[in-house]
Amino acid sequence: DSGVTQTPKHLITATGQRVTLRCSPRSGDLSVYWYQQSLDQGLQFLIQYYNGEERAKGNILERFSAQQFPDLHSELNLSSLELGDSALYFCASSPSGTSAGGEQYFGPGTRLTVT
Amino acid sequence: SQQGEEDPQALSIQEGENATMNCSYKTSINNLQWYRQNSGRGLVHLILIRSNEREKHSGRLRVTLDTSKKSSSLLITASRAADTASYFCATDAKGGGNKLTFGTGTQLKVEL
Repeated sequence: DSGVTQTPKHLITATGQRVTLRCSPRSGDLSVYWYQQSLDQGLQFLIQYYNGEERAKGNILERFSAQQFPDLHSELNLSSLELGDSALYFCASSPSGTSAGGEQYFGPGTRLTVT
Repeated sequence: SQQGEEDPQALSIQEGENATMNCSYKTSINNLQWYRQNSGRGLVHLILIRSNEREKHSGRLRVTLDTSKKSSSLLITASRAADTASYFCATDAKGGGNKLTFGTGTQLKVEL
């Protein structure tokens, strides 16, 4: 158990809908990262927040947005969903958010299926 | 798109044998990390090697890093059936903040 929690575990929704994925980082970790894992794109970094502020952005679509709240939990919002958005969405956390780097602790993921 | 490529894509060995996986990447890095993923579950951190290190050990794991060739290898010795999983290398690029760029992964199957 990494200490990172994600809800829900599974989500099935229709095209055009909007969903919110939630992540609680490990106690004391200030950075939260979102990754998408799909069959065709593999594991891709989406976005990072550090202590409430956006720190880095990856291949995140404009239809997707995220935020980190004062209690450090984070939400990833996916809107106008398309079939291709079906994937596993992982949240990870780490103590720091600097280029010093370090291991990241991954949650169990949310499996999103868009029908 | 992914930065790292891993080789082989899939590997099947007998219990007790050693398994070697290779990873190549494209940019300068702060560190390289290896993660394991069991069948669609979350990723588990295995080992981190910094750019100024050449080799690192952790239990049955041995990682090497050659920054001149931009490549790394993960060796699992005396493999067990429980090692069956997908293994990913991930790089923390210089100037890239702390985000990780993952390789394509190697699917390891250890048979009894």
